[in-house]
Amino acid sequence: GQQLNQSPQSMFIQEGEDVSMNCTSSSIFNTWLWYKQDPGEGPVLLIALYKAGELTSNGRLTAQFGITRKDSFLNISASIPSDVGIYFCAGQNYGGSQGNLIFGKGTKLSVKP
Amino acid sequence: NAGVTQTPKFQVLKTGQSMTLQCAQDMNHNSMYWYRQDPGMGLRLIYYSASEGTTDKGEVPNGYNVSRLNKREFSLRLESAAPSQTSVYFCASTPGLGSLDHRYFGPGTRLTVL
Repeated sequence: GQQLNQSPQSMFIQEGEDVSMNCTSSSIFNTWLWYKQDPGEGPVLLIALYKAGELTSNGRLTAQFGITRKDSFLNISASIPSDVGIYFCAGQNYGGSQGNLIFGKGTKLSVKP
Repeated sequence: NAGVTQTPKFQVLKTGQSMTLQCAQDMNHNSMYWYRQDPGMGLRLIYYSASEGTTDKGEVPNGYNVSRLNKREFSLRLESAAPSQTSVYFCASTPGLGSLDHRYFGPGTRLTVL
């Protein structure tokens, strides 16, 4: 089945630093999504990308849909303690009977004040 | 709107016991999903319901059954719990099956099987 490779698995950074994480796939996706999961909570959508090459920002977050449609990255600028959590990428294709969303294994972010 | 709600939040079972995890959404969404999350494994789809009256297997359906009780509610049943089913279970919903629909997740049920 389709798999997403998300890296890095974990990051320990100082408050104020910028963060970058990415996802790659052997298959083409038509949609890339980035979710954040706070400790003890369910994932919440951060950014959705629908076109190859698309670059979208949400506050200090910026994500891009790779031109090959096989990758995506998420950048967080000037990190703050509340950025702590697990970030998941997810890719989805059109069609199919289930509209399945394939999740990466997550990047666990820790921020030192 | 409460969004997606799940009960219980925590549960401990003994091997062989059965239980049902409840999920409800108040967003009038057509599609609902059950995922499990294990450390280092991301989120894996157990079952989904594209619309009221239909259910289909996902990636890891063995050991589980589901019921789409009505448009709002989608339950997950463990008939004979096993330690391998220790996990965090998330219910999610979307307006439909379209590729522009992202998942709205509930807060999760943390299940331990001893």
